[in-house]
Amino acid sequence: GAVVSQHPSRVICKSGTSVKIECRSLDFQATTMFWYRQFPKQSLMLMATSNEGSKATYEQGVEKDKFLINHASLTLSTLTVTSAHPEDSSFYICSARGADHSPLHFGNGTRLTVT
Amino acid sequence: GQQLNQSPQSMFIQEGEDVSMNCTSSSIFNTWLWYKQEPGEGPVLLIALYKAGELTSNGRLTAQFGITRKDSFLNISASIPSDVGIYFCAGSSGNTPLVFGKGTRLSVIA
Repeated sequence: GAVVSQHPSRVICKSGTSVKIECRSLDFQATTMFWYRQFPKQSLMLMATSNEGSKATYEQGVEKDKFLINHASLTLSTLTVTSAHPEDSSFYICSARGADHSPLHFGNGTRLTVT
Repeated sequence: GQQLNQSPQSMFIQEGEDVSMNCTSSSIFNTWLWYKQEPGEGPVLLIALYKAGELTSNGRLTAQFGITRKDSFLNISASIPSDVGIYFCAGSSGNTPLVFGKGTRLSVIA
């Protein structure tokens, strides 16, 4: 089945630094990838839709300058949390879809802790 | 953003019991998906539904796409300890991003 790889699985960084998270589709080409954020005991909240070769579409309330998304190829999207603060600590999950109408498959998530 | 109404929020059941959870929406969806998430991991797809009325099984799991296209249920038969986790429903229309339910936290008592 479709596999989505996300890296790193855990990262701890100091306040003010930037962190990059990678999301790769391993056995299919993903024209669209999605980035979600999940707080403890809560559901997944969509942050942005990443489109290969074009700008990402951000959900309302998500700062595009804070969460930089680059979808440079059909198999790779990156999320960079810039100037991280403790309130950015969360579980970030990417997902990818191959052909239209195919189900989303998720990476294993990245737990970010900002100290 | 928009969310689905998923119930129950949590369940504590005895091993061997059957489980049922459901999701409803005020919007019509043309895709319903069910995922399971374990602690510290991303959601794993369990069942995908694409047609109103569709009933699909995956081992002990059975899910149905409601005829009105505004609801779906997931049943787990003869539960076992490894069924523990959070189950999410998700729906979409066309190529719109998935909308997720708030999850059903399942605990299985051996």
